[in-house]
Amino acid sequence: DGGITQSPKYLFRKEGQNVTLSCEQNLNHDAMYWYRQDPGQGLRLIYYSQIVNDFQKGDIAEGYSVSREKKESFPLTVTSAQKNPTAFYLCASSPRGQTYEQYFGPGTRLTVT
Amino acid sequence: SQQGEEDPQALSIQEGENATMNCSYKTSINNLQWYRQNSGRGLVHLILIRSNEREKHSGRLRVTLDTSKKSSSLLITASRAADTASYFCATDLGAGNKLTFGGGTRVLVKP
Repeated sequence: DGGITQSPKYLFRKEGQNVTLSCEQNLNHDAMYWYRQDPGQGLRLIYYSQIVNDFQKGDIAEGYSVSREKKESFPLTVTSAQKNPTAFYLCASSPRGQTYEQYFGPGTRLTVT
Repeated sequence: SQQGEEDPQALSIQEGENATMNCSYKTSINNLQWYRQNSGRGLVHLILIRSNEREKHSGRLRVTLDTSKKSSSLLITASRAADTASYFCATDLGAGNKLTFGGGTRVLVKP
């Protein structure tokens, strides 16, 4: 089965702790993306990567970090510097270079207390 | 403010009726895409319409694009309870495959 997986589905952390969200795809896509969604809102781009070992900040990168060591994987770390980390996090991927749709994972709901 | 803004924010219709939602954007685009999100789930791509296209159809979905007005509409015909979801437009400015999403229209189809 081809697709994008995100784990875990629900994540709970204490304030002040870093947490890493997993995103894996087997679609052979070059580009991968992380979005944040707050209740009743649209998606905001955190980071994106168009190729292995390269990534760019999106609109709301502060307090987040990413790595892209493998084509299949694009983990997102929510650091303690993120002031309001509780949100729904969505990972997506797409082919690179032309206009393509994005394929989304099921999301991880992070709650920080 | 966001590139894409959907209108209305919420829509409630009876099964069998048509649902229309609109998206307005601010700057020139490469293409515009519509996505559906069921509650608590990831987004699913519905239709992509390029800047040189005016209308596209996919099953019960019809999308129009008016670049002079910087607006798009999504029509769902003969709606079903399973169409209950949030619908988002996303604009591609042609810079690095990035999409900018609007705030979404929440559609409730009552059986």
